[in-house]
Amino acid sequence: AQKITQTQPGMFVQEKEAVTLDCTYDTSDPSYGLFWYKQPSSGEMIFLIYQGSYDQQNATEGRYSLNFQKARKSANLVISASQLGDSAMYFCAMRENFGNEKLTFGTGTRLTIIP
Amino acid sequence: KAGVTQTPRYLIKTRGQQVTLSCSPISGHRSVSWYQQTPGQGLQFLFEYFSETQRNKGNFPGRFSGRQFSNSRSEMNVSTLELGDSALYLCASSLAVGAANTGELFFGEGSRLTVL
Repeated sequence: AQKITQTQPGMFVQEKEAVTLDCTYDTSDPSYGLFWYKQPSSGEMIFLIYQGSYDQQNATEGRYSLNFQKARKSANLVISASQLGDSAMYFCAMRENFGNEKLTFGTGTRLTIIP
Repeated sequence: KAGVTQTPRYLIKTRGQQVTLSCSPISGHRSVSWYQQTPGQGLQFLFEYFSETQRNKGNFPGRFSGRQFSNSRSEMNVSTLELGDSALYLCASSLAVGAANTGELFFGEGSRLTVL
């Protein structure tokens, strides 16, 4: 079974609108972390936001917020007021077992912002 | 504060050759992990090094190896290159202090390997 599922291969969003990128995960480990990364065409993986499984509040970083629904095992990324520079691939990833730095990635969502 | 630095950024090799890629982590970071990214397989974990010891290993053949030095810099080596080894190789670093780790894991810009 897929550990990280991103069901949206591609999305087109109008500039300045908010966008939600979906991510569901599967783990039996009570200790895990969830990450979102942005990968522009240059190839660099840019860290956006992190949510730990024991964190009580949803993580936020500027225009990025993570809608963490533990019971549903979902960790959707919300980008508010999208900008042209947000066009990129977005990857959701999970790390199980604290002390283990291995990330399992989803297949990614290609986001295109339309002016 | 300098980010994760990977060298070389681009390289072309032929089948049967070997290649060494280098990764310098963020200052103070003790964990370095390596990932392979291809259009077909996506992002796959290769291995992780912490305090010069390989702590975790992905499902790759023995042709893929790595090491970490006392200054936390890491190298990965691929011997007897195959066409399928063409990929973007990404290195990531983190503080890795166990349960207290905030979780942030930072990547370099990658080394793009083409095997002809």
